Amino acid sequence: RKEVEQDPGPFNVPEGATVAFNCTYSNSASQSFFWYRQDCRKEPKLLMSVYSSGNEDGRFTAQLNRASQYISLLIRDSKLSDSATYLCVVRYLMGDTGRRALTFGSGTRLQVQP
Amino acid sequence: NAGVTQTPKFQVLKTGQSMTLQCAQDMNHEYMSWYRQDPGMGLRLIHYSVGAGITDQGEVPNGYNVSRSTTEDFPLRLLSAAPSQTSVYFCASSYSSGAAYEQYFGPGTRLTVT
Repeated sequence: RKEVEQDPGPFNVPEGATVAFNCTYSNSASQSFFWYRQDCRKEPKLLMSVYSSGNEDGRFTAQLNRASQYISLLIRDSKLSDSATYLCVVRYLMGDTGRRALTFGSGTRLQVQP
Repeated sequence: NAGVTQTPKFQVLKTGQSMTLQCAQDMNHEYMSWYRQDPGMGLRLIHYSVGAGITDQGEVPNGYNVSRSTTEDFPLRLLSAAPSQTSVYFCASSYSSGAAYEQYFGPGTRLTVT
């Protein structure tokens, strides 16, 4: 079982639509949560962190449900420029090292159509 | 700031050849890491470093070596290339491995091993 699971999609939506992605994680000791965006053949870039209380950045809203171990991303009023792959990322403590590392989901592809 | 730079952008190797993927950052970040990205797998951590002179293994370290002699540079060495190492390699850096810090990725190196 993957540590971070995402529906690979693609999600094909028209411009202006609202779309939501979920991500589940298996490590209950996970500490921090993020959504990264990756454009085709480019590097991942941080979209937003996910806080326990939920957070919003413009058209994007992220939610965390620790009890059910899932994270969500809601995109309102989709734009053509939102077409990309969205990576769910979880930061966890690496054993006894005290160091932290990231686990990446394999991503959900979004295609916004005119 | 150039951010995180990687060279080369593309490379084709024959099985058994060795090579070094270069990574440099000019943000004075402590934490640097190497990932590989394969279709359907998400990014997987190969090696990481929490500062000059300190490196450690990630999830998939076999067949790769790293060193960190300066804060800026973190090269990845493929000892004897195998077709299973065909992948896209990303170098990343962040201020620290602590919970809140964003990872900045380089543009990636696309490696094909024949």
